[in-house]
Amino acid sequence: GNSVTQMEGPVTLSEEAFLTINCTYTATGYPSLFWYVQYPGEGLQLLLKATKADDKGSNKGFEATYRKETTSFHLEKGSVQVSDSAVYFCALRGSARQLTFGSGTQLTVLP
Amino acid sequence: SAVISQKPSRDICQRGTSLTIQCQVDSQVTMMFWYRQQPGQSLTLIATANQGSEATYESGFVIDKFPISRPNLTFSTLTVSNMSPEDSSIYLCSVEDANRQGASGYTFGSGTRLTVV
Repeated sequence: GNSVTQMEGPVTLSEEAFLTINCTYTATGYPSLFWYVQYPGEGLQLLLKATKADDKGSNKGFEATYRKETTSFHLEKGSVQVSDSAVYFCALRGSARQLTFGSGTQLTVLP
Repeated sequence: SAVISQKPSRDICQRGTSLTIQCQVDSQVTMMFWYRQQPGQSLTLIATANQGSEATYESGFVIDKFPISRPNLTFSTLTVSNMSPEDSSIYLCSVEDANRQGASGYTFGSGTRLTVV
């Protein structure tokens, strides 16, 4: 079956630091890949997505590139802000159309 | 993208009782998904609900414990039956957003935070 392996947290960074959260997946066929974010006390929001190999999703300064050769979809941001503190989930959508989530990574950005 | 109204937002329930969670979508959708997020953990799919047919449950989840209704294309309910403290979680519904090119992502309800005492 499908699975998503996500970098263990929690991650603590200083403001303006570079962020990478690793995500690798196992799936048959050609899944779509997503990053979702859950801010404290809020619901789950789509951050970015990519639907085919070599696609780059981007939003709010975050980027992730769909790498089929390494089955990865790592999330990056060049300069994090305190407001980026949240839990980040990598997810994939397979042929059955439901999402499979990674374990989530708690990010805390300190001023 | 779709807008989902989920209620209740939270509840505290006695063990042995049942709670029904409702999700209303502002557009017609074929598939609705129900997830559970246990404290400090990721989201786990409970079942997929299609209008006009029985829900499809994931391994570890059964209809007797989590009955689902899907009476039309904009509404679904999930019932957590005969609750125990282990059922304390956030329950979320979700729908697939589709654009002209196909699926563009998924929208989630705001979640129901359930505490069983």
